[in-house]
Amino acid sequence: DAGVIQSPRHEVTEMGQEVTLRCKPISGHDYLFWYRQTMMRGLELLIYFNNNVPIDDSGMPEDRFSAKMPNASFSTLKIQPSEPRDSAVYFCASSTGRRDGYTFGSGTRLTVV
Amino acid sequence: AQTVTQSQPEMSVQEAETVTLSCTYDTSENNYYLFWYKQPPSRQMILVIRQEAYKQQNATENRFSVNFQKAAKSFSLKISDSQLGDTAMYFCALSRVSYQLTFGKGTKLSVIP
Repeated sequence: DAGVIQSPRHEVTEMGQEVTLRCKPISGHDYLFWYRQTMMRGLELLIYFNNNVPIDDSGMPEDRFSAKMPNASFSTLKIQPSEPRDSAVYFCASSTGRRDGYTFGSGTRLTVV
Repeated sequence: AQTVTQSQPEMSVQEAETVTLSCTYDTSENNYYLFWYKQPPSRQMILVIRQEAYKQQNATENRFSVNFQKAAKSFSLKISDSQLGDTAMYFCALSRVSYQLTFGKGTKLSVIP
């Protein structure tokens, strides 16, 4: 299995632009998570899906952030408009359940200038 | 509230020696899972070891083992025969009934040749 695939690996954008991060989970995993990692706040859960349905989005910082999972093999995290404080590494992870742990993608490093 | 505390921001160990990383947690749930993740400079999050709370036996994976003290809510990671490739950030994580992973702030481990 290719693991969890995220794209792009790096993204540099100007403040005010729309940014879309992409994730392909492992086939058969019915949970998908989006995390954000910063030096100040560590790893924070933004949102997670079960069977393509958003279950908890309480970690989404504000209305500028949105996430979708149109099918079992694809999810997006969109920031519109982007701000410098959104600069972070964004991870996608998938899982079959708590017992097996979560498999993370390699992350997207977002820099908003 | 669920919290995970790693009290050692940085540690170092000589190659081939043994090191123990500390983690304490707090949860009101009885059915939970604990994990240690490794994040090398490549930033990939790698699952090192998992522990099921209802199992008394401490988990072991090759050179990695845990000391799980449920009553004390302690979950330390022991790395034996440390290797240069063990240099990384190590995160302790708690998985709740809601499937969310809560991470500690991490311990930066340096293995010295």
